[in-house]
Amino acid sequence: NAGVTQTPKFRVLKTGQSMTLLCAQDMNHEYMYWYRQDPGMGLRLIHYSVGEGTTAKGEVPDGYNVSRLKKQNFLLGLESAAPSQTSVYFCASSWDRGPITDTQYFGPGTRLTVL
Amino acid sequence: DAKTTQPNSMESNEEEPVHLPCNHSTISGTDYIHWYRQLPSQGPEYVIHGLTSNVNNRMASLAIAEDRKSSTLILHRATLRDAAVYYCILRRNTGNQFYFGTGTSLTVIP
Repeated sequence: NAGVTQTPKFRVLKTGQSMTLLCAQDMNHEYMYWYRQDPGMGLRLIHYSVGEGTTAKGEVPDGYNVSRLKKQNFLLGLESAAPSQTSVYFCASSWDRGPITDTQYFGPGTRLTVL
Repeated sequence: DAKTTQPNSMESNEEEPVHLPCNHSTISGTDYIHWYRQLPSQGPEYVIHGLTSNVNNRMASLAIAEDRKSSTLILHRATLRDAAVYYCILRRNTGNQFYFGTGTSLTVIP
């Protein structure tokens, strides 16, 4: 049981390049999330998904797109990377949205640098 | 959304108890209090959560004030592996978002 995995672990992009971050979970969770964490700050929610084929915006969605074509995968795309998107990106998943049972399980993170 | 206030940093000696405070004066009646921690270079991990009553699990205890405007995460016996950033989060009964804030960085001194 791998839990939540993220690919790649590190990436360096030039301004204007595009890339996709992949998140996979093997816990059959309905809900998946993408966060970013800037130095010295807490995590901020970018986008989330409440099930296969559905996505929604979080706190800081601009400049990112997401897709959830399969229940176990949640993709985060940067169409035209900017230096302001340099950050560590975390994916998480949970069973459901109820406050009692929605413990979120996090991946190890992807460190992205945009030059 | 309701926000939380935590000290930026705290220190504790190894094998001593640690009390990590959190203020959430704007908490509403249905908000759950969640605690997560983030070890260096890792993603956050769940620690404990509660609504009104104090809660215990194998990792920690959560003491919630009677008026629910503050709570305290208690690590009964700090180890070096407990050095992490601890986040206190309010979880609305509706909506689907966690607001992590900046957390408390705990240093454990051998």
